[in-house]
Amino acid sequence: QTVVTQEPSLTVSPGGTVTLTCASSTGAVTSAYYPNWFQQKPGQAPRALIYSTNNKHSWTPARFSGSLLGGKAALTLSGVQPEDEAEYYCLLYCGGAQGWVFGGGTKLTVL
Amino acid sequence: QLQLQESGPGLVKPSETLSLTCTVSGGSISSTSYYWGWVRQPPGKGLEWIGSIYYSGSTYYNPSLKSRVTISVDTSKNQFSLKLNSVTAADTAVYYCATHSSGYYLPFDYWGQGTLVTVSS
Repeated sequence: QTVVTQEPSLTVSPGGTVTLTCASSTGAVTSAYYPNWFQQKPGQAPRALIYSTNNKHSWTPARFSGSLLGGKAALTLSGVQPEDEAEYYCLLYCGGAQGWVFGGGTKLTVL
Repeated sequence: QLQLQESGPGLVKPSETLSLTCTVSGGSISSTSYYWGWVRQPPGKGLEWIGSIYYSGSTYYNPSLKSRVTISVDTSKNQFSLKLNSVTAADTAVYYCATHSSGYYLPFDYWGQGTLVTVSS
């Protein structure tokens, strides 16, 4: 079973920039993994941010962007706001046999 | 605006079957571009994909749960359902229903609010 790995925690200052990454235990993440990113705040359902590597939903703030970086999927937040403090999850498609696999999540602190 | 709402028992006994239903409003469950899925989250832990279904009945399951899971769709009621049998305490989680509204490879863009299911005697 593929393991998807994210940084457990990151801290960023308001107005700063931070990049979260998402790695696959089977090798480099490519667009064929259809990388997705979700934001979850305490007590709330997750909210979709990015699909298919770098596509934003209509509700996704412009400061969020997705990419592939060094064999990983990446989520970059530019001009971080206090309300961006949350848990962020990536989701990869790992083929027909395994389906969708979530990463363990990154707790982002804005401090 | 698509809305999803989970319903079902909040307490299930060990070894029994967990059954949840997701009611869809603001759209048709038979829409050709939609897939429908279940995701769960144990208390204080991360997200886990359980499985997804197309309105025609095609199903896709997490291999780690496949032997215990059944997802079905009821187009007449605009609902889809989850059954997880032989549950243990490890199945205690918030269960979310969600949709892939623009095809299978655009997953979970709309979510229900989630429902906590506790497995305990």
